[in-house]
Amino acid sequence: AQTVTQSQPEMSVQEAETVTLSCTYDTSESDYYLFWYKQPPSRQMILVIRQEAYKQQNATENRFSVNFQKAAKSFSLKISDSQLGDAAMYFCAYSYRGGSEKLVFGKGTKLTVNP
Amino acid sequence: GAVVSQHPSRVICKSGTSVKIECRSLDFQATTMFWYRQFPKKSLMLMATSNEGSKATYEQGVEKDKFLINHASLTLSTLTVTSAHPEDSSFYICSAKGTSGRGETQYFGPGTRLLVL
Repeated sequence: AQTVTQSQPEMSVQEAETVTLSCTYDTSESDYYLFWYKQPPSRQMILVIRQEAYKQQNATENRFSVNFQKAAKSFSLKISDSQLGDAAMYFCAYSYRGGSEKLVFGKGTKLTVNP
Repeated sequence: GAVVSQHPSRVICKSGTSVKIECRSLDFQATTMFWYRQFPKKSLMLMATSNEGSKATYEQGVEKDKFLINHASLTLSTLTVTSAHPEDSSFYICSAKGTSGRGETQYFGPGTRLLVL
């Protein structure tokens, strides 16, 4: 069974600084997707970034970028120029490309942004 | 684009009653929808996968007779909690698989907070 591990229950960062959230996963599949979702206090899940495993290039979305290391099964999220609005729970997730593509989530990292 | 709505956003009911939660994809068709449950300060736990026109696939440990799922159209899935009990109190979130400029992914509804008294 696939598993996703987020080893940092909580992280904090100063406004305008950079922070990296860690995620590792375990799978025997070669074709899959990886995601980072953000859940602010409103509890609405928001897609931050998406990575396809067959793509070697790391995905980027404005201030958000990932470091995807397929061999190491690592998928970290870097947030640059952190803003107060970035404060939220961040969930790393995996889905196998094929079938229903259901998501397997990590336990989450609570990010605090200090002014 | 890729908006998913849930109704109601919050519901309080008495123990023993049934509660229906609707999940709608507003601007896209979703052949597959998912239902999750989230306890306070915890991650999302997948309950079941809902496919339009067929029976839902439940995750291990989820009682299919208690959590009835119907995916009657390409834009609507419903979750009915039958004979609800206080331990069913939780935050229920649905998602729908769709395609946008960012590729195919799951788009989430805003969630439904259920409190069973």
